Amino acid sequence: QSALTQPASVSGSPGQSITISCTGPNVDVGGNKYVSWYQQHPAQAPKLIIFDVTQRPSGVSNRFSGSQSGSTASLTISRLQAEDEADYYCCLYERGWLFGGGTKLTV
Amino acid sequence: QVQLQESGPGRVKPSETVSLSCTVSGFSISNGFFWAWIRQAPGKGLEWIGSISYTGTTFSNPSLTSRVTLSVDVSKNQFSLKLTSVTAADTAVYYCARPRSGFDFGFWGPGLLVTVSS
Repeated sequence: QSALTQPASVSGSPGQSITISCTGPNVDVGGNKYVSWYQQHPAQAPKLIIFDVTQRPSGVSNRFSGSQSGSTASLTISRLQAEDEADYYCCLYERGWLFGGGTKLTV
Repeated sequence: QVQLQESGPGRVKPSETVSLSCTVSGFSISNGFFWAWIRQAPGKGLEWIGSISYTGTTFSNPSLTSRVTLSVDVSKNQFSLKLTSVTAADTAVYYCARPRSGFDFGFWGPGLLVTVSS
């Protein structure tokens, strides 16, 4: 199983918006209902921020949003804050779970 | 609130078997869900290892299946991972996790670093 493809890094300034894409060789990321996204700060366990493509768990800021288009799933973070600086991973379920390689966000 | 805690050796020798356990509190394993093991090599991304239900139904990453054994002990509210024939490539932080309600990982343990070294 190959990992899903994400950009290695993205950056933005406070107040701006950024989008992280997630695609996969031989996997229809854009049509999968079970795409989730995770935020991981250094030396911490990952935290679920988006599930089922677009849903936010309670307590997660509405600055985080998920979407799909074509063969890609995306995570958008609006009104960037310093605390958003972290690694972000996409994940999908298709007879097992597959993670993206991770994207380092620098704010 | 669901809490998970990994336990096991912090260091194992190459070719040995590493056994890890995850103790769950705040939720009974027998109430459902597939309980997962996920790992992260130093400086690398996340890798799903495998998942097990309270009934013992398992499925695992095809790249690891031949070396992975998953088990569950409902009486202890624990589930476990055995990984055989370890090499340096198995050095990683091992996490146990549970879905929030579906096909995601909403609850995570803090992680346990396992180093494979002679």
